Amino acid sequence: QSVLTQPPSVSGAPGQRVTISCTGSSSNIGAGYDVHWYQQLPGTAPKLLIYGNNNRPSGVPDRFSGSKSGTSASLAITGLQAEDEADYYCQSYDDRLSGSKVFGGGTKLIVL
Amino acid sequence: QVQLVQSGAEVKEPGASVKVSCKASGYTFTRSDINWVRQATGQGLEWMGWMNPKSGNTDYAQRFQGRVTFTRNTSVSTAYMELSSLRSEDTAVYYCARQSASGWPPGFDYWGQGALVTVST
Repeated sequence: QSVLTQPPSVSGAPGQRVTISCTGSSSNIGAGYDVHWYQQLPGTAPKLLIYGNNNRPSGVPDRFSGSKSGTSASLAITGLQAEDEADYYCQSYDDRLSGSKVFGGGTKLIVL
Repeated sequence: QVQLVQSGAEVKEPGASVKVSCKASGYTFTRSDINWVRQATGQGLEWMGWMNPKSGNTDYAQRFQGRVTFTRNTSVSTAYMELSSLRSEDTAVYYCARQSASGWPPGFDYWGQGALVTVST
């Protein structure tokens, strides 16, 4: 059971907007720690998609955006494309576990 | 460009140890922490710990303490992860990842390609 909770899967048609939630608690997201998002295409290593809650690294399309409020965070993808089909993970820090960085369980995005 | 290149796949018997390497290039190795993350087949990402390549300081996730050791050789810009007393549940892809300079705490901005470790008789 992951410290950060994500839906196992979400789906959307090309061109649509989807959101992926990441729910934590007062010891992680709610404590003010940043949330980062990673995209993992099939058979590849994860790639940083959003850092510091809502910042995109160079080269990441602006179709991807992040937000954070209270004990939760969200990743939004607009103008869905077939190549967006991947697993998405949120990541933060939990101060109940010494020095521990924590991941969500991951969400499989299915492009219909 | 920043690259992290890991060693190849390994097959080990239960009870053995495995050592995975992660060679960094394209940046100053001692300026960024290296983290280790593993992923069992079909499962999510699991953080194992981090190492400061300059000082050698480490911090391990609670569930791996006593069984994992991170080391480095700064002369060849390489980090190592050694996991001992292997069991079948340790079968996974092991990733090294560079800690970003942004965020509080920072995330991981570059990842190695992963090294598959299979524990089997």
